[in-house]
Amino acid sequence: NAGVTQTPKFQVLKTGQSMTLQCAQDMNHEYMSWYRQDPGMGLRLIHYSVGAGITDQGEVPNGYNVSRSTTEDFPLRLLSAAPSQTSVYFCASSYQGEGNTEAFFGQGTRLTVV
Amino acid sequence: GQQVMQIPQYQHVQEGEDFTTYCNSSTTLSNIQWYKQRPGGHPVFLIQLVKSGEVKKQKRLTFQFGEAKKNSSLHITATQTTDVGTYFCAGGQGAQKLVFGQGTRLTINP
Repeated sequence: NAGVTQTPKFQVLKTGQSMTLQCAQDMNHEYMSWYRQDPGMGLRLIHYSVGAGITDQGEVPNGYNVSRSTTEDFPLRLLSAAPSQTSVYFCASSYQGEGNTEAFFGQGTRLTVV
Repeated sequence: GQQVMQIPQYQHVQEGEDFTTYCNSSTTLSNIQWYKQRPGGHPVFLIQLVKSGEVKKQKRLTFQFGEAKKNSSLHITATQTTDVGTYFCAGGQGAQKLVFGQGTRLTINP
């Protein structure tokens, strides 16, 4: 059972370039989300999805797009990378039901925009 | 929007000393979750609290949820070097739209 898989682990982009961060989960979770982690600021929610075909904005959505065509995959797209998007990105999935609704996190993608 | 404040930001202790981190929300929470992140790692779920005034224990870790469901704490008794990491609280509606605190980074002098 792989859990939540993120690729790539590391990425360096030039300002203005675009890229997609991949996230896949094999736990059949309805909910998936993307966070960015910056020093001293905890994890901030970028976008989330409550199921295939449904996405919504989080706290810091500007500059990012998402889609959810399948239950398993939730890619995050950077349209035109900026140095302010240098961060560590985490994808998470969770089950929403009775009892524990813990979020399972991927290993993270460390992105540097130069 | 909802805000979750966590203090202190950093805590350095001698091995064997106790450690506590506090979490306060600007709004009433349906539940609060705690996560631990080791240096260079990803957040890992520790526990979820749902009921007003709830107290849960995991070995040397004690978690509390306030009566008003707006604050929470994590207390570690007799810290060990394996406790090193950053501890985050996260509140919200289930796990769908968790709002994380800034985290408390714990370092330990062996």
